[in-house]
Amino acid sequence: AQSVSQHNHHVILSEAASLELGCNYSYGGTVNLFWYVQYPGQHLQLLLKYFSGDPLVKGIKGFEAEFIKSKFSFNLRKPSVQWSDTAEYFCAVNALWNTDKLIFGTGTRLQVFP
Amino acid sequence: DTEVTQTPKHLVMGMTNKKSLKCEQHMGHRAMYWYKQKAKKPPELMFVYSYEKLSINESVPSRFSPECPNSSLLNLHLHALQPEDSALYLCASTLKAGSNQPQHFGDGTRLSIL
Repeated sequence: AQSVSQHNHHVILSEAASLELGCNYSYGGTVNLFWYVQYPGQHLQLLLKYFSGDPLVKGIKGFEAEFIKSKFSFNLRKPSVQWSDTAEYFCAVNALWNTDKLIFGTGTRLQVFP
Repeated sequence: DTEVTQTPKHLVMGMTNKKSLKCEQHMGHRAMYWYKQKAKKPPELMFVYSYEKLSINESVPSRFSPECPNSSLLNLHLHALQPEDSALYLCASTLKAGSNQPQHFGDGTRLSIL
C-alpha cells in the first residue's frame, strides 16, 4: 500500500532562514507528487506538483521541490522563509493508475518567528 | 478565498440527530471528494464521486451517506454518529476523476458530536 512519511513534525525557524521539509513515499509504480499548505484557519492550498519532466519544480511563494526517484523523496525547500510562511505543510502522493486516491503525509507544522 | 464552498462551517450535533454537510463548486469540475481530518492528522479519503456517480467508498460506515444531486453539489448526510466522528470534514473537487489535475479544497466543516 502507498504511504507518505514526513519526518519533521514541527519546525521552528527565524525569518530569513532556509527551509527544507522532508517527504518520502512508499510505492513502486509511477506517482504524482504534491505539496499542500494549510495556513491557520484556511483551506488546503496547492503549493506545487510534480507529474513528469524536470525533477526540480517551482511553486508559488518562492517554494520549490526536488523529486529524487532513487530515494523516493520529494523534499520541499525555500531559501528564505517569512513569518507569513507559518502554516502546516502536507506532502501528498497518488498513483498514476489511481489518481483519485490522494495519500497525505502526517504534515509538518512550520513556525517562523520574526 | 477557496472556490469550493462548504456549509456549515461548524456543526454540533447529538448522537441521535440527522444533519447534512453541503459542498458546492462552480468550476465545472466533475469529480468531487469527501475527506475526514482528525486533529493533528492528515486528511483521509472517504468518498469519490465522478460524473455524479459514487466511484470510491473507502469502507466508510453507513452512518455517513454521500449524495451528489448534480455536478456542482455534494452532500454528506449524517445519522447516528459517534463521538469519534468528531473531525474536520473536507470537500474537494477536480476537473475530472482519474486525471492528473490537483484537487481544490474547501475550508471544511468542523463537526462535534456530543
